[in-house]
Amino acid sequence: RKEVEQDPGPFNVPEGATVAFNCTYSNSASQSFFWYRQDCRKEPKLLMSVYSSGNEDGRFTAQLNRASQYISLLIRDSKLSDSATYLCVVNIGDAGGTSYGKLTFGQGTILTVHP
Amino acid sequence: GAGVSQTPSNKVTEKGKYVELRCDPISGHTALYWYRQSLGQGPEFLIYFQGTGAADDSGLPNDRFFAVRPEGSVSTLKIQRTERGDSAVYLCASRFGTRRGNEQFFGPGTRLTVL
Repeated sequence: RKEVEQDPGPFNVPEGATVAFNCTYSNSASQSFFWYRQDCRKEPKLLMSVYSSGNEDGRFTAQLNRASQYISLLIRDSKLSDSATYLCVVNIGDAGGTSYGKLTFGQGTILTVHP
Repeated sequence: GAGVSQTPSNKVTEKGKYVELRCDPISGHTALYWYRQSLGQGPEFLIYFQGTGAADDSGLPNDRFFAVRPEGSVSTLKIQRTERGDSAVYLCASRFGTRRGNEQFFGPGTRLTVL
């Protein structure tokens, strides 16, 4: 079983639609959670961190359920520019309480927003 | 300011050859990471440096892969006796310190093709 699992899609949605991505992780020791965005043939870039209380950044809302080991990303009012691959990412950290940053990525979910 | 840079951007080599991939992290970033991304997959961790030392090399697939960071800044990933299965995008990332939440910044990657 992969450590981080995502539905690879692709998701094809019209402009203005709401779309949700889901992700599960297997290591209960995971400490930090993120969504990264990756455009075609570009490097991954941090979209947002994910907190237990849930957090929102404009049209983007991220949720974390530690008990179910489940992470989600909701995009409202989709724009053409939202077309990209969305990567679910976890960081296990270490026993000392720091987070040396080794990231474990899901396969990525491809989103295409069309006019 | 300047981001993470990687050279070359593309490398084509023949099976059995030796290659070196270079990473220039963001100035002042003490933590440096190498990842490998195969087509249709998320990046996979290879190795992590804190300063000059490799703190975690658990992701290196075998002893043909080696990485150095002699002065705690630039890093070189070295691959001996390349195989077709080594073809992938090799991503470097850097981060300031190890505090949880410090963002990891990725370079544009080196696309390695082994013929």
